Amino acid sequence: ETGVTQSPTHLIKTRGQQVTLRCSSQSGHNTVSWYQQALGQGPQFIFQYYREEENGRGNFPPRFSGLQFPNYSSELNVNALELDDSALYLCASSLGGGDLRDEQFFGPGTRLTVL
Amino acid sequence: AQSVTQLGSHVSVSEGALVLLRCNYSSSVPPYLFWYVQYPNQGLQLLLKYTSAATLVKGINGFEAEFKKSETSFHLTKPSAHMSDAAEYFCAVSDEGFQKLVFGTGTRLLVSP
Repeated sequence: ETGVTQSPTHLIKTRGQQVTLRCSSQSGHNTVSWYQQALGQGPQFIFQYYREEENGRGNFPPRFSGLQFPNYSSELNVNALELDDSALYLCASSLGGGDLRDEQFFGPGTRLTVL
Repeated sequence: AQSVTQLGSHVSVSEGALVLLRCNYSSSVPPYLFWYVQYPNQGLQLLLKYTSAATLVKGINGFEAEFKKSETSFHLTKPSAHMSDAAEYFCAVSDEGFQKLVFGTGTRLLVSP
């Protein structure tokens, strides 16, 4: 059984560019949540996808968008990158529509640097 | 709104000493509470969680935490620190909809020989 994987590991972009981050959920999991972890901070919830539909969103602007595919893998897209978008982006997969009684399994993250 | 306060951004202990990492929460509804550990360049790993069953929760690697409603606390303890425990520890509380996690700012545990 493979765990949660994310790609790429590291990424460097410039202000104004667009970026796509990818997450493959753990086998059998139908829910993916995305978090942003700025340096020295705890993760902050961006949004969650359950069976290909957005199932909740945190306090992030619309230029943060996502997708979930039929195999339950997911993408996070960020448009018009800003310097403050520099962070570690974590995805977590779980089973059951985001019920927190089900464990969320985190991937290793993608480190995004915006110059 | 739900929030978590972790007292102490850094905690230093000697190997074999007691580990105590503090977490206080604010919640408008009875919460679920979690402790996660993050090793360098890795994602988060769940240590333990409280979801309204027993108030003393035992987790992996010898860690445990006690939910104290009167003190709005969920402190993490381990009787004897090991060098491999050196990492960043995050306390988290469920949001009002029990859908997302609200994390604290983390406590870095340093273990000296």
